[in-house]
Amino acid sequence: QITLKESGPTLVKPTQTLTLTCTFSGFSLSTSGVGVGWIRQPPGKALEWLALIYWDDDKRYSPSLKSRLTVTKDTSKNQVVLTMTNMDPVDTATYYCAHRAYYGSSGYFDYWGQGTLVTVSS
Amino acid sequence: QTVVTQEPSLTVSPGGTVTLTCASSTGAVTSGYYPNWFQQKPGQAPRSLIYSTSNKHSWTPARFSGSLLGGKAALTLSGVQPEDEAEYYCLLYYGGAWVFGGGTELTVL
Repeated sequence: QITLKESGPTLVKPTQTLTLTCTFSGFSLSTSGVGVGWIRQPPGKALEWLALIYWDDDKRYSPSLKSRLTVTKDTSKNQVVLTMTNMDPVDTATYYCAHRAYYGSSGYFDYWGQGTLVTVSS
Repeated sequence: QTVVTQEPSLTVSPGGTVTLTCASSTGAVTSGYYPNWFQQKPGQAPRSLIYSTSNKHSWTPARFSGSLLGGKAALTLSGVQPEDEAEYYCLLYYGGAWVFGGGTELTVL
């Protein structure tokens, strides 16, 4: 079965760079059509899509955060890494990674990790 | 900045029917936006219910259905159960980017 798990620091200081790792099993990121996405959710607020990396290394980013985000993959390790620069307290959120299944142009996010809470504070 | 709008909150009686909607600031929602619906309960990760307007997963209860209604994406719950009380999010695809709605808090009372 497909599982994903996020890992990384729970606390970062303002202006620092956040690096999160999504480690997954049950699928390969070298399979055509597959992707891994990142979504976040500030406490008590709505979900926000951040980024997606496809099996062919194509990448998509939220327009509002594009300048701060980088997503990479290590297919051999079954991992996807998200980096976000210049962290601010408003970036405090639970960060999720999710499996993107192939379906038309969009695909869909069917399996999600449990999420990891990242707090930005000095 | 694209905005996806949902009802902030709705209340439904057990056994009743309720429809949640999802509107786009860019205009009418069509199948080309591949509407998705997620359910999230407190302390849990979101769970996908519906993809590409009306497609269900193997784990989606039959009482959930998706459609397009009056220029919006819609999620209808028929025969609501107490365990359906949750936050519901829609997700729309904008040609290489995805935008979530603000969520609808569904109360079963």
